[in-house]
Amino acid sequence: DTEVTQTPKHLVMGMTNKKSLKCEQHMGHRAMYWYKQKAKKPPELMFVYSYEKLSINESVPSRFSPECPNSSLLNLHLHALQPEDSALYLCASSQDEGLAGEATDTQYFGPGTRLTVL
Amino acid sequence: AQTVTQSQPEMSVQEAETVTLSCTYDTSESNYYLFWYKQPPSRQMILVIRQEAYKQQNATENRFSVNFQKAAKSFSLKISDSQLGDTAMYFCAFMNTGNQFYFGTGTSLTVIP
Repeated sequence: DTEVTQTPKHLVMGMTNKKSLKCEQHMGHRAMYWYKQKAKKPPELMFVYSYEKLSINESVPSRFSPECPNSSLLNLHLHALQPEDSALYLCASSQDEGLAGEATDTQYFGPGTRLTVL
Repeated sequence: AQTVTQSQPEMSVQEAETVTLSCTYDTSESNYYLFWYKQPPSRQMILVIRQEAYKQQNATENRFSVNFQKAAKSFSLKISDSQLGDTAMYFCAFMNTGNQFYFGTGTSLTVIP
């Protein structure tokens, strides 16, 4: 099973709303990722969690707040977003972060949440 | 910094024909992984094939194969017997020892019936 699930599939929110995106995997993967993808562009890395700890934050504005409640779940809390934040938000997971320093494993992606900020 | 370059923004191929998508990358690391991902219009990113840099043998997955030239830092994807379902955006990706992915800008492939 190489499934990563994301909810909701679509989300429309106003600039004053607070909402959350959810990602779940049951593959025993210990690294999880959030990406932002604009139309016809490659995904841009936002956050990486490794063993439930935030290991990479790619200078993402504080209106995006990630959370990893356990090794299977990853949330992205949204608050006071701007229209330019409208995009497809992808979650991915992989086996681990290569604790021995070597490159490890494939990232498996979820279907994404299509976010529209009005 | 790692960079991944896909110089073909759009390509098309006749059904049942063969097409090659190019990808070059730049890195100073000796150990890394390379990937081709496919993103059909439904937007789910799907792994097509991966290559470990320490392996000289080119990876193959059914109709998909790569030509990995480590010295030239080239990683092209060959799709044989193209099918309509192969229509998608194809992203080449590089992963370093820090498990960070670097994506190319993508190649939009259209398979023509």
